[in-house]
Amino acid sequence: DQQVKQNSPSLSVQEGRISILNCDYTNSMFDYFLWYKKYPAEGPTFLISISSIKDKNEDGRFTVFLNKSAKHLSLHIVPSQPGDSAVYFCAAKDNTGKLIFGQGTTLQVKP
Amino acid sequence: EAQVTQNPRYLITVTGKKLTVTCSQNMNHEYMSWYRQDPGLGLRQIYYSMNVEVTDKGDVPEGYKVSRKEKRNFPLILESPSPNQTSLYFCASASSAEQYFGPGTRLTVT
Repeated sequence: DQQVKQNSPSLSVQEGRISILNCDYTNSMFDYFLWYKKYPAEGPTFLISISSIKDKNEDGRFTVFLNKSAKHLSLHIVPSQPGDSAVYFCAAKDNTGKLIFGQGTTLQVKP
Repeated sequence: EAQVTQNPRYLITVTGKKLTVTCSQNMNHEYMSWYRQDPGLGLRQIYYSMNVEVTDKGDVPEGYKVSRKEKRNFPLILESPSPNQTSLYFCASASSAEQYFGPGTRLTVT
């Protein structure tokens, strides 16, 4: 059973607009959440994270929101740029240190 | 430059022919892990290692072996590859929650 789910396989937005990528999880024991970005022919790279004790973390154009009651997190990118086009994975860390990844969402930012 | 390297980057092989994918990191990380990425399934953990000589199964360990004789190296071994192991493989290392990934190895087993 998938403990971390990204239900949107793809998302297309216009340059300059906001991109919102969503992620749902089932395990309330997850204590840390991360977003990774992946370009073709490269490995995933860490983007931003949030501890379960917070509800928001911001880093430049990227903001992650955590709603623990809904077991939902989202990544906001504003303004979106064509260079943001990539696959985005959300991941959750359990109490053993293991990262569990979602299926990924492919973001396309159109100029 | 801090990095995780994998070799080879691409490999086409035949069923049953043993192969090893190497992974090396230069960040002195204790934790290392192998993942496979398949369409619609995201990244699934194969094996991980908390430190030298300590390895453990991930979610999809069947058909794979690993070893951790040195801190920097964590090779992935397929003793008898099968077509269902055709995938994109990533090695990662970490000192905290954030994991650093290698560039990937695309393996095709015919």
